Amino acid sequence: NAGVTQTPKFRILKIGQSMTLQCTQDMNHNYMYWYRQDPGMGLKLIYYSVGAGITDKGEVPNGYNVSRSTTEDFPLRLELAAPSQTSVYFCASRKANWDWREGQSTDTQYFGPGTRLTVL
Amino acid sequence: TQLLEQSPQFLSIQEGENLTVYCNSSSVFSSLQWYRQEPGEGPVLLVTVVTGGEVKKLKRLTFQFGDARKDSSLHITAAQPGDTGLYLCAGPPTGTASKLTFGTGTRLQVTL
Repeated sequence: NAGVTQTPKFRILKIGQSMTLQCTQDMNHNYMYWYRQDPGMGLKLIYYSVGAGITDKGEVPNGYNVSRSTTEDFPLRLELAAPSQTSVYFCASRKANWDWREGQSTDTQYFGPGTRLTVL
Repeated sequence: TQLLEQSPQFLSIQEGENLTVYCNSSSVFSSLQWYRQEPGEGPVLLVTVVTGGEVKKLKRLTFQFGDARKDSSLHITAAQPGDTGLYLCAGPPTGTASKLTFGTGTRLQVTL
């Protein structure tokens, strides 16, 4: 299994350019996520999807768009790149585990290797 | 927004020392997770704690979930250079199991 794959690994954009970050998972997970991570910081959720055709905003969606036409793919689109979007972007997919003792679902998120984006 | 604050932000210790990392919130979480992230890679799940007061051990790592489910700690015994990385706690916000809120992170460096 490849797990979660992301392309490209690195990219430099000029202000105002657009690009699509690709994310693919081969684990048949329904849930997929896009995060950004600024240097030395935690992860902030940009968008997520609970299944093909369904997407929702996270904490920091401005300047980004997503689509989910298949279970496997969850691309992230930057339309007008800005320096504030310089960051490392991680895609993740989720396998939900049901804990019978507690009667609740516990998440296991699997992350891709990331895309390092610089906007100059 | 339910925040998860981690402390300390940075920790540099020598091999063999013990350390504890804390994850605190003013909100109750139904579960908390700990991830480790190595440079240039995505986070990898270490453990999930779901019961208040629960303690889980993973070799030299001990995880505890607070009784009130508002905090968690990670204790490493006899740290090794391989423990170096960014440690992140995360939990689902109230009312949803679909997404996670991540903590601010603790960067650990273990030197020989």
